Amino acid sequence: KQEVTQIPAALSVPEGENLVLNCSFTDSAIYNLQWFRQDPGKGLTSLLLIQSSQREQTSGRLNASLDKSSGRSTLYIAASQPGDSATYLCAALLSGSARQLTFGSGTQLTVLP
Amino acid sequence: GAGVSQTPSNKVTEKGKYVELRCDPISGHTALYWYRQSLGQGPEFLIYFQGTGAADDSGLPNDRFFAVRPEGSVSTLKIQRTERGDSAVYLCASSLIPGELFFGEGSRLTVL
Repeated sequence: KQEVTQIPAALSVPEGENLVLNCSFTDSAIYNLQWFRQDPGKGLTSLLLIQSSQREQTSGRLNASLDKSSGRSTLYIAASQPGDSATYLCAALLSGSARQLTFGSGTQLTVLP
Repeated sequence: GAGVSQTPSNKVTEKGKYVELRCDPISGHTALYWYRQSLGQGPEFLIYFQGTGAADDSGLPNDRFFAVRPEGSVSTLKIQRTERGDSAVYLCASSLIPGELFFGEGSRLTVL
């Protein structure tokens, strides 16, 4: 059974700082890995999706990497802003017939002005 | 509509009552998913539809939970004899490409 772990559970940084969020998964036979943002009381917004054949994806100040062999993904946020404050969730989709995403518990990020 | 729509956004009910939660996916998306999210946790898979049929219902916690998608579009999650432990946010998602899910804002269920 795929297990996804996110460390740290919570992170507080001053505005302008670069930061890295970590995600690890136990089964390396993944189809893709996705990072989501969740604001309080809201649904999930997809940020980046990395296919298993890719090593990284970039969107604006966000960069996500994937290392299947070590079972890790990182989300790098450059020049953080207070508006980046949210919970960040990673989710892995296993290869094969399974279509369910397995989520981590998330990292709650607070960017202080 | 432009996104996944879920109703109601909030539902408060008493223990033992029956509840229905509705999901209207993005038009044209053939796959539909239900997830449950407890406070401080990531979403947990409940059930996945491909078209009208439930392709994977392995995440449903027990037989009090049931979901339908009769015409391959709108889906309803049904919970019988609700218990306090059923309190959570129920998220619906739809997709066209495997693994690329678009989520609604969820239905927050509180069982008193």
